[in-house]
Amino acid sequence: DAKTTQPPSMDCAEGRAANLPCNHSTISGNEYVYWYRQIHSQGPQYIIHGLKNNETNEMASLIITEDRKSSTLILPHATLRDTAVYYCIVRAINTGTASKLTFGTGTRLQVTL
Amino acid sequence: DGGITQSPKYLFRKEGQNVTLSCEQNLNHDAMYWYRQDPGQGLRLIYYSQIVNDFQKGDIAEGYSVSREKKESFPLTVTSAQKNPTAFYLCASSTRTGSDYGYTFGSGTRLTVV
Repeated sequence: DAKTTQPPSMDCAEGRAANLPCNHSTISGNEYVYWYRQIHSQGPQYIIHGLKNNETNEMASLIITEDRKSSTLILPHATLRDTAVYYCIVRAINTGTASKLTFGTGTRLQVTL
Repeated sequence: DGGITQSPKYLFRKEGQNVTLSCEQNLNHDAMYWYRQDPGQGLRLIYYSQIVNDFQKGDIAEGYSVSREKKESFPLTVTSAQKNPTAFYLCASSTRTGSDYGYTFGSGTRLTVV
């Protein structure tokens, strides 16, 4: 699986949009971009994933650049409950076997009043 | 509701003792995984299993053992050979093939060696 690079920490004011970047310049054509978050002392939670088109769900939006070498997770109206570590992961699917997720150290997002 | 159950939530072990962490899922997922997390660090893969009666070592398998006798269960044994077992242990499961929503994680077991 391709490696990803994320800033170690970010701050965001409550109610504002949080934009979390991720670099995955060595991503392969069959690898999706996944985002998870981990609130302190809990298991990681799936947020969103995408291949090349922008994706949106009830939690967030995912913007993937045209060359697929980077992406941005957008939390449109951050709340204090969004304070967590956010992991960007690339993962191949449709390969016939389950592929491992490789976690980096992620971005620690602190949402403040 | 479907999900993954890890037990116990907190576990204390004396040095030299083996201890087994439980992981059960009712999601009908084929693949299951064990990760270890140390403070301020990301998750590191210990073992994973894609089907019953089969499992593979991850990046830090030394001092650990697993079994996969049932699809729903993937227990992890931390043996006395594991030199630094104090950590947060997370179990996860996923479908084996096709587009899916990645992993579903349990709520973790925090192991402390006393």
